[in-house]
Amino acid sequence: KAGVTQTPRYLIKTRGQQVTLSCSPISGHRSVSWYQQTPGQGLQFLFEYFSETQRNKGNFPGRFSGRQFSNSRSEMNVSTLELGDSALYLCASSSRTGSSGNTIYFGEGSWLTVV
Amino acid sequence: EDQVTQSPEALRLQEGESSSLNCSYTVSGLRGLFWYRQDPGKGPEFLFTLYSAGEEKEKERLKATLTKKESFLHITAPKPEDSATYLCAVQAQGAQKLVFGQGTRLTINP
Repeated sequence: KAGVTQTPRYLIKTRGQQVTLSCSPISGHRSVSWYQQTPGQGLQFLFEYFSETQRNKGNFPGRFSGRQFSNSRSEMNVSTLELGDSALYLCASSSRTGSSGNTIYFGEGSWLTVV
Repeated sequence: EDQVTQSPEALRLQEGESSSLNCSYTVSGLRGLFWYRQDPGKGPEFLFTLYSAGEEKEKERLKATLTKKESFLHITAPKPEDSATYLCAVQAQGAQKLVFGQGTRLTINP
């Protein structure tokens, strides 16, 4: 069974540009969440999509957005990039079923460097 | 506000020297407590989910336990390949997001 796939793995962007990251969840999983990981702040929740709808949102500015397609694949977009957006962006996939048995798997991440 | 604190920040052990990592948490109704392993440059690898106080789970040299206020990850007779950062996270009832601790960086010397 294929895991969570994120593309691209590495990218370098210039301040002011925008970036789009992609995530394909595990087959059958309909929930996709995005996290930002930095050395100073650790792992922080960005947002969650389920059935093409954003269900939860973390405390990030509106420059961070996302969407989910009918096949559960998700993209996140960061506009007007700032140096502080340099981070590892992680996608997490789960089946989101019931109050237990809710295992959440992560992809390898997309390393974004803003220069 | 849900919060997770992991200790110690870093731990260095000799091969075969058993120890425990701590994860203290506060959450408005626990849905699940998660343990992950993360190697440098990679995404977190799922280890365990614990759902209620008293629950224990094992995998190879790792054993996770849960109380109402904290979780422990016990590592028995570790090997150098167990070196990694171990992350603890909580998920509140009715929520999907995970709230992570800062992690414990574990180094096992041969």
